[in-house]
Amino acid sequence: QKEVEQNSGPLSVPEGAIASLNCTYSDRGSQSFFWYRQYSGKSPELIMSIYSNGDKEDGRFTAQLNKASQYVSLLIRDSQPSDSATYLCAVLNSGYALNFGKGTSLLVTP
Amino acid sequence: DAGVTQSPTHLIKTRGQQVTLRCSPKSGHDTVSWYQQALGQGPQFIFQYYEEEERQRGNFPDRFSGHQFPNYSSELNVNALLLGDSALYLCASSYERNQPQHFGDGTRLSIL
Repeated sequence: QKEVEQNSGPLSVPEGAIASLNCTYSDRGSQSFFWYRQYSGKSPELIMSIYSNGDKEDGRFTAQLNKASQYVSLLIRDSQPSDSATYLCAVLNSGYALNFGKGTSLLVTP
Repeated sequence: DAGVTQSPTHLIKTRGQQVTLRCSPKSGHDTVSWYQQALGQGPQFIFQYYEEEERQRGNFPDRFSGHQFPNYSSELNVNALLLGDSALYLCASSYERNQPQHFGDGTRLSIL
């Protein structure tokens, strides 16, 4: 079973702080990695994609990938209450299906 | 530029009935994937359609079937509905294999 693991949280951070979300995966053949944000009752919204080792920055978001250690992380700088949501890590393995973790619930407190 | 559209938004059915959900992909996308998301869980892959063929299937029974039309839109059919089929059904579209999949707003299916 090719698994994607996330800490379910909730992760609580104060407004303005850095939120750090982590994800590990089991399939070493995984090639593409995505972070989705999902507000309660809504559908997943793509916020970051990363394909090679290292960091990728987009605004307040930074995705980090380490294929040797099989982990992906998402940093959210200057966290805002509007960032409060569930963050889903998704991994594209050798096929065409996205394999999702259960998500980490993030709460940003004013 | 229209994103992924799904219909209906909500649906209530009873056990044993059949349901059809519909999806139109984002403009420029030719691949449609369907996912089931139970409460508190991540989405689970049902199947993916490309060039009107089922390209990959997840661990779902044959009660779940689909179709893709020449205009790339897709349908998900579920027969003999069970209480456990209650979930949010998500359609995602994409263009190339490694490119991100973009989700529609989903159809919330409730089985009574």
